[in-house]
Amino acid sequence: NAGVMQNPRHLVRRRGQEARLRCSPMKGHSHVYWYRQLPEEGLKFMVYLQKENIIDESGMPKERFSAEFPKEGPSILRIQQVVRGDSAAYFCASSPSRSLSYNEQFFGPGTRLTVL
Amino acid sequence: AQSVTQLDSQVPVFEEAPVELRCNYSSSVSVYLFWYVQYPNQGLQLLLKYLSGSTLVKGINGFEAEFNKSQTSFHLRKPSVHISDTAEYFCAVSWNSGGSNYKLTFGKGTLLTVNP
Repeated sequence: NAGVMQNPRHLVRRRGQEARLRCSPMKGHSHVYWYRQLPEEGLKFMVYLQKENIIDESGMPKERFSAEFPKEGPSILRIQQVVRGDSAAYFCASSPSRSLSYNEQFFGPGTRLTVL
Repeated sequence: AQSVTQLDSQVPVFEEAPVELRCNYSSSVSVYLFWYVQYPNQGLQLLLKYLSGSTLVKGINGFEAEFNKSQTSFHLRKPSVHISDTAEYFCAVSWNSGGSNYKLTFGKGTLLTVNP
């Protein structure tokens, strides 16, 4: 059973370009979470999605960032007009359907974005 | 704002020595507690978790952690480390309130280096 897949693993963009990060959850998982890890910082929650729904985007910057999890295909985190401060590692996690207790999140290897 | 503090950014130890990685969090309201390990160029792997019940939690690879509610701590311990334990360790907390227990808050991480 493959784990959470993220691609690309490394992405280099120039200021002003767009960055698209993809995340394929584990088989059978319908919940996806995105986290960002800035240099010398811990991971910070960005957004929580289910298929075709954004559940909580309270950690997403209000501008330039968007996320989706379509009915078919991977979840996409999109950053428009990237700036140097967007350079970070972006991690995706997935979990199975919600239960009454906590659902463990399984993390992917991350995408390391560098903005030149 | 709720926060997680890992007091040591780096911990060097010799092989077969005991180790303790410290973690404190900001509030003693109902919490779920986690330790993750990240090996170079890999995703985060769950070492152990506390959801309820016994305050001493045993995880994989011989690690254990103790939940101390009065001190709002969740320190990670291993009685004898191996070279292969060299990795970054992250403490994470989920505050079980308002239906957002999926939102993990991470510490900045502790780099454990095991020397021969």
